[in-house]
Amino acid sequence: NAGVMQNPRHLVRRRGQEARLRCSPMKGHSHVYWYRQLPEEGLKFMVYLQKENIIDESGMPKERFSAEFPKEGPSILRIQQVVRGDSAAYFCASSPWTGNQETQYFGPGTRLLVL
Amino acid sequence: GENVEQHPSTLSVQEGDSAVIKCTYSDSASNYFPWYKQELGKGPQLIIDIRSNVGEKKDQRIAVTLNKTAKHFSLHITETQPEDSAVYFCAARVGSQGNLIFGKGTKLSVKP
Repeated sequence: NAGVMQNPRHLVRRRGQEARLRCSPMKGHSHVYWYRQLPEEGLKFMVYLQKENIIDESGMPKERFSAEFPKEGPSILRIQQVVRGDSAAYFCASSPWTGNQETQYFGPGTRLLVL
Repeated sequence: GENVEQHPSTLSVQEGDSAVIKCTYSDSASNYFPWYKQELGKGPQLIIDIRSNVGEKKDQRIAVTLNKTAKHFSLHITETQPEDSAVYFCAARVGSQGNLIFGKGTKLSVKP
């Protein structure tokens, strides 16, 4: 059973460009979470999605950032007009069901560098 | 909202010694507490978790304890090995919300 997959693993963008980060959850998982990690810091929650629904986007900046998890295909985290402060590692996690207690499995991350 | 504090930020031990990492949380509604190990350049890997209806859980050399009254939980690694060297993160989850709140991490170095 393949784990959570993310691509690309590394992404370099110039200021003002768009960044698209993809996440394929583990087989059978229908819940996806995106987290951001700055150097030497812990992970910060951004957004929680189920298929075709955004459940909680309280951690995501209101501007330039968007996320989706379509019925078919991977979840996409999109950052428009990137700025240097967007440089970070972005991790996706998936879980098989929602409830009071669940386990999240993380992917290898996408390291975004904005020049 | 929930806040998770983690100590120490760095920990150096000799191979074979034990390592203890402690976390405190603020929201008494938190009911799930996982620990992740992150190696350089990789994603966090779940190593053990504990739920609020349990006070202690053990898996070989790794154990986690939870004190709900004091709102703190700890990771214990016994007989440490050089391959245990990594950054360890604690996390907490509140009620029915999906997201985890992470501590800032502990960089563990095990010297041979």
